[in-house]
Amino acid sequence: GESVGLHLPTLSVQEGDNSIINCAYSNSASDYFIWYKQESGKGPQFIIDIRSNMDKRQGQRVTVLLNKTVKHLSLQIAATQPGDSAVYFCAEILSGSARQLTFGSGTQLTVLP
Amino acid sequence: NAGVTQTPKFQVLKTGQSMTLQCAQDMNHEYMSWYRQDPGMGLRLIHYSVGAGITDQGEVPNGYNVSRSTTEDFPLRLLSAAPSQTSVYFCASRPIAGGTDTQYFGPGTRLTVL
Repeated sequence: GESVGLHLPTLSVQEGDNSIINCAYSNSASDYFIWYKQESGKGPQFIIDIRSNMDKRQGQRVTVLLNKTVKHLSLQIAATQPGDSAVYFCAEILSGSARQLTFGSGTQLTVLP
Repeated sequence: NAGVTQTPKFQVLKTGQSMTLQCAQDMNHEYMSWYRQDPGMGLRLIHYSVGAGITDQGEVPNGYNVSRSTTEDFPLRLLSAAPSQTSVYFCASRPIAGGTDTQYFGPGTRLTVL
């Protein structure tokens, strides 16, 4: 079946730099996307979401961009901090479904001092 | 609010044993779900419920049973544990009304089946 996937399994950035984590999805019927952060030994933590009728959404230090033409979304983290080190998952929800989440495999972000 | 709570945090079982993973939420969320997470992978949906008395299967339901007798609780039962069920299990919940699809996750139960 169609699923969400990530371009890179690992990403290392210098503290203070901006981070960009990418995610590709293949189901054009998906209408809602969420980014989760998962620290070691903990459950996924909601970061930001975006609906398919939007191209961009901003939160505190984070921005999600959605490009429906190429079925791609990204998570941008400004001024990356050591506390941002974690695995980041994108997840999608299909329109008209029971609103079930389908997760990608995750990207490990490591912030270097 | 305590949010979503799960017990136990860790469990070791022998093949063939049974057990119940507990999940509770105090946010009055109608929707609750169980996921498993295997090393280096994303979460996969096992079972979900849209309200008390209503449950349905997710992507990987085999070997697991659920019930939803109250809004607050959504236990996951392993009737005869197998090594393939070694994983980390997460429970999540969200409201059905209110315009959000965001699910909130518990801290997880790490299960090892020998």
